[in-house]
Amino acid sequence: SYEVTQPPSVSVFPGQTASVTCSGVKLGDKRVSWYQQKPGQSPLLVIYQDTKRPSGIPERFSGSSSVNTATLTISGTQAMDEADYYCQAWDSTTEVFGGGTQLTVL
Amino acid sequence: QVQLQESGPGLVKPSQTLSLNCTVSGASINSGSNYWTWIRQPAGKGLEWMGRIYTSGGTNYNPSLMGRITISLDTSTNQFSLRLKSVTATDTATYYCARGLPAAGSIYFDSWGQGTLVTVSS
Repeated sequence: SYEVTQPPSVSVFPGQTASVTCSGVKLGDKRVSWYQQKPGQSPLLVIYQDTKRPSGIPERFSGSSSVNTATLTISGTQAMDEADYYCQAWDSTTEVFGGGTQLTVL
Repeated sequence: QVQLQESGPGLVKPSQTLSLNCTVSGASINSGSNYWTWIRQPAGKGLEWMGRIYTSGGTNYNPSLMGRITISLDTSTNQFSLRLKSVTATDTATYYCARGLPAAGSIYFDSWGQGTLVTVSS
């Protein structure tokens, strides 16, 4: 079965740029979505189809994709962005989530 | 604005069947291009996709749950449901229902329920 891998944790200072990666074999051939989850809350879609931002999601959230890696970038990170982030990809007839990355704003 | 709400027992005994419903408002479960999906999350762990049902009734399941899981639609109540047989303690988790939307060969989840905690214990 297909797998995607995320780093367990990423740290960033306020105002700096945070990058969260999601890696998988030929992941660039798939369209990746990203979700933000804060403690006690349901996941929130922040990026879909690699680069698209849903209505209401701040412009500081962006996504990109290359051959084997998708990246969620948060520019000018704010304290409110501290959360777990999950990537998700579609493989044949199933969906796969990455293990999640805990983003800490120092 | 689509809203989803999970309901069902919070405690299930080992070896029994876990049953949850998801009530959908703001959309009809048997129209449009929607993938009605169940996702779970053990405490302190990541998200696990369990399976989905399309508006036509077709289903796909996580291979790791095959043989134990059934997802179905109830158009009379605009709900979809999850049944998971022969549960063990490892099935203890918060269960989410979500709507999946297709786009360019992928599916993304734009609406989620608030989640319901199910504990498997005698």
